[in-house]
Amino acid sequence: GQQLNQSPQSMFIQEGEDVSMNCTSSSIFNTWLWYKQDPGEGPVLLIALYKAGELTSNGRLTAQFGITRKDSFLNISASIPSDVGIYFCAGPGGSQGNLIFGKGTKLSVKP
Amino acid sequence: SAVISQKPSRDICQRGTSLTIQCQVDSQVTMMFWYRQQPGQSLTLIATANQGSEATYESGFVIDKFPISRPNLTFSTLTVSNMSPEDSSIYLCSVLRDSREKLFFGSGTQLSVL
Repeated sequence: GQQLNQSPQSMFIQEGEDVSMNCTSSSIFNTWLWYKQDPGEGPVLLIALYKAGELTSNGRLTAQFGITRKDSFLNISASIPSDVGIYFCAGPGGSQGNLIFGKGTKLSVKP
Repeated sequence: SAVISQKPSRDICQRGTSLTIQCQVDSQVTMMFWYRQQPGQSLTLIATANQGSEATYESGFVIDKFPISRPNLTFSTLTVSNMSPEDSSIYLCSVLRDSREKLFFGSGTQLSVL
């Protein structure tokens, strides 16, 4: 079946640094979604991408839909302590509402 | 987005018992789903909760273990039946708010089975 490979698995950075993470798929996607999950909470949608090459921002977050349609990237600029959490990429799993999720990137920010 | 209320937020249960999780949405939605997130893992779809008919289960999940109700367009329940420690997970209700794959999630139910 479809798989999403997300990297890195975890990151430890200093406050103020920029962060990059990526997600690759074994097959072509028409949609890429990025979520953030805080401890004890459900995932929150950050950015949705619908077109190859699309670059979309949400505040300090920028995500890109790779031109091969098999990858996506999420960048966070000037990280702050509240950026701590697990970031998941996701794509359509074949039926409506069925999203396939990556294994997540756990971000830790040192003040 | 959507306001999705789930309860309980967490519970500790004994092996062999059942727990029913409730999900309430602030407005009518056509599509509601239940996901499971095992400890340290990603999210996996359990089933689509269909209003007025039986839920549609994904491979590996069965109705006897995870019965689902959807009496109207704003409410659903998921029951985890005859629990074992392997059922210890976060269970998440989610809704599709538009047709562009955007899923919104409740805050989840953290279940621990002893």
